[in-house]
Amino acid sequence: AQSVTQLDSQVPVFEEAPVELRCNYSSSVSVYLFWYVQYPNQGLQLLLKYLSGSTLVKGINGFEAEFNKSQTSFHLRKPSVHISDTAEYFCAVSGEGNKLVFGAGTILRVKS
Amino acid sequence: NAGVTQTPKFRVLKTGQSMTLLCAQDMNHEYMYWYRQDPGMGLRLIHYSVGEGTTAKGEVPDGYNVSRLKKQNFLLGLESAAPSQTSVYFCASSTRTSASTDTQYFGPGTRLTVL
Repeated sequence: AQSVTQLDSQVPVFEEAPVELRCNYSSSVSVYLFWYVQYPNQGLQLLLKYLSGSTLVKGINGFEAEFNKSQTSFHLRKPSVHISDTAEYFCAVSGEGNKLVFGAGTILRVKS
Repeated sequence: NAGVTQTPKFRVLKTGQSMTLLCAQDMNHEYMYWYRQDPGMGLRLIHYSVGEGTTAKGEVPDGYNVSRLKKQNFLLGLESAAPSQTSVYFCASSTRTSASTDTQYFGPGTRLTVL
């Protein structure tokens, strides 16, 4: 069975500072990993995903994530955040039948 | 192209009442899903469908029923609502080109309160 742990429930950061949102997973099968973002009062949208190949994955809005198999991690990073990045971020692992298992979410609060 | 739409956006029910949430997608996707989102718990899968006329249970199916009579629609029913079903409900859809790797596209959500 797959599971996802997001290590921080909230991450406050000042505008233009770098940020890392941490995600660890467990899976007994091939790993496909996703980051979704949820802006206030909206549905989720895909930020990026890792399927295979290069362990560094680039997504929308300047975000990137690195897949680390030995540490079973898939941390999300951005070198300089904007106020508009304030949102909740969900890490997910794909299980059988294209069923996603989500982490509990990390709220990113960008302060001016 | 509206993507995934959900009806209604908000609803307040009394304990014991019933209701149906409607999800519609115009992307010709095979797979459709219903999730509930609760604070600190992320999204949990209620039921899903891999094609018209098929449904299957997810992680938290108790108290809910679903139907997929048309490919573009996926209905979630609450027969006798309970306060524990107060949540935000999201519908999603995806293609069938590669079951484990496809992006899921989410609707805007339905906020349900059961008093």
